[in-house]
Amino acid sequence: EADIYQTPRYLVIGTGKKITLECSQTMGHDKMYWYQQDPGMELHLIHYSYGVNSTEKGDLSSESTVSRIRTEHFPLTLESARPSHTSQYLCASRLVTGELFFGEGSRLTVL
Amino acid sequence: AQSVAQPEDQVNVAEGNPLTVKCTYSVSGNPYLFWYVQYPNRGLQFLLKYITGDNLVKGSYGFEAEFNKSQTSFHLKKPSALVSDSALYFCAVRGLNYGGSQGNLIFGKGTKLSVKP
Repeated sequence: EADIYQTPRYLVIGTGKKITLECSQTMGHDKMYWYQQDPGMELHLIHYSYGVNSTEKGDLSSESTVSRIRTEHFPLTLESARPSHTSQYLCASRLVTGELFFGEGSRLTVL
Repeated sequence: AQSVAQPEDQVNVAEGNPLTVKCTYSVSGNPYLFWYVQYPNRGLQFLLKYITGDNLVKGSYGFEAEFNKSQTSFHLKKPSALVSDSALYFCAVRGLNYGGSQGNLIFGKGTKLSVKP
């Protein structure tokens, strides 16, 4: 039973469109993360947040932006999508015991 | 700097045989180590972790992993593989005493496990 929700699960859009990927968790976790996953499997950290009004860029440079206005909500936005943004985006929150709890992912295809 | 390596892109095993998925790490100080599994079109699921204590850690679905400090390894094992174990497996590490961005998990590139009947 998922306690972290990502919507949409699948999205196909045209170049130049603005998109927002939603991520919500009901566990009250402070630390949340966005990973981009290549078709070849590798995970890249693109954004993270340690709490409300805290956002940082991750190891992989990304044209996306994030916000953290509420503890439970950590949306990711692309102002103008391009084919190079086609990927799977995984949201996660961190338990107090250290492990990450992942959502099911949002698979984005930009035509 | 922290790093984690999964030297095998793919591991093939016959059903019923033991399986091992390899992971080595580099971190200053004592590590937190994790294994995750990913099924097609799904997010990652936590399998097990090592923080301290017994070097053999038992996790979900019959998996276990052995922490070896001298070899800086944390290999994932299962005594008898199932076809349903076929998935992507990710090893991850972070240092115990890292703050800020260095406290984030670093993931390996993943290993595709294929179990044939």
